[in-house]
Amino acid sequence: KQEVTQIPAALSVPEGENLVLNCSFTDSAIYNLQWFRQDPGKGLTSLLLIQSSQREQTSGRLNASLDKSSGRSTLYIAASQPGDSATYLCAVNGGSYIPTFGRGTSLIVHP
Amino acid sequence: NAGVTQTPKFQVLKTGQSMTLQCAQDMNHEYMSWYRQDPGMGLRLIHYSVGAGITDQGEVPNGYNVSRSTTEDFPLRLLSAAPSQTSVYFCASSKRQDPGSGNTIYFGEGSWLTVV
Repeated sequence: KQEVTQIPAALSVPEGENLVLNCSFTDSAIYNLQWFRQDPGKGLTSLLLIQSSQREQTSGRLNASLDKSSGRSTLYIAASQPGDSATYLCAVNGGSYIPTFGRGTSLIVHP
Repeated sequence: NAGVTQTPKFQVLKTGQSMTLQCAQDMNHEYMSWYRQDPGMGLRLIHYSVGAGITDQGEVPNGYNVSRSTTEDFPLRLLSAAPSQTSVYFCASSKRQDPGSGNTIYFGEGSWLTVV
């Protein structure tokens, strides 16, 4: 059974810092990995989708990498802003139509 | 585009009452699912569907029913509400996951349910 772990569970940083969120998974036989953002009281919004054949994806200040062999993905946020404050979740898709979600990293960026 | 639409956004139920959470998507997605999100538990899959007429159970299906009569709609029914079903419910959809590829998962805004 796939297990997805996100570390740290919570993170508080000053504005302007570059930061890394981690996602690890136990079964490397995956089709893709997706990073989401969830604002309080809202649903999940997709940020980046990395296919199993890809090593990374970039969108603006966000960069997500994937290392299947080690069962890890990282989400890099450059020059963090207070508006980046949210919970970030990763989801791993093993091809069964049922993605496995991590419990998320709660990020606070303070001015 | 509307994307994934959930109704109602907030609902209070008494123990034993039944109700239906509605979910509709306008993207012609084959795959739809329902999750509940509880503090410290993360997202847990309740039921899912890979196409009209096909449904299956997820991790926590007890107390819930689903049907998929059309591609667009995937309602979640609470048969006899219990306080343990107090939670936030999310509907999600995506295109069919072909082997070796993947598609973005889209979520609704959530339905906050309180059972007293």
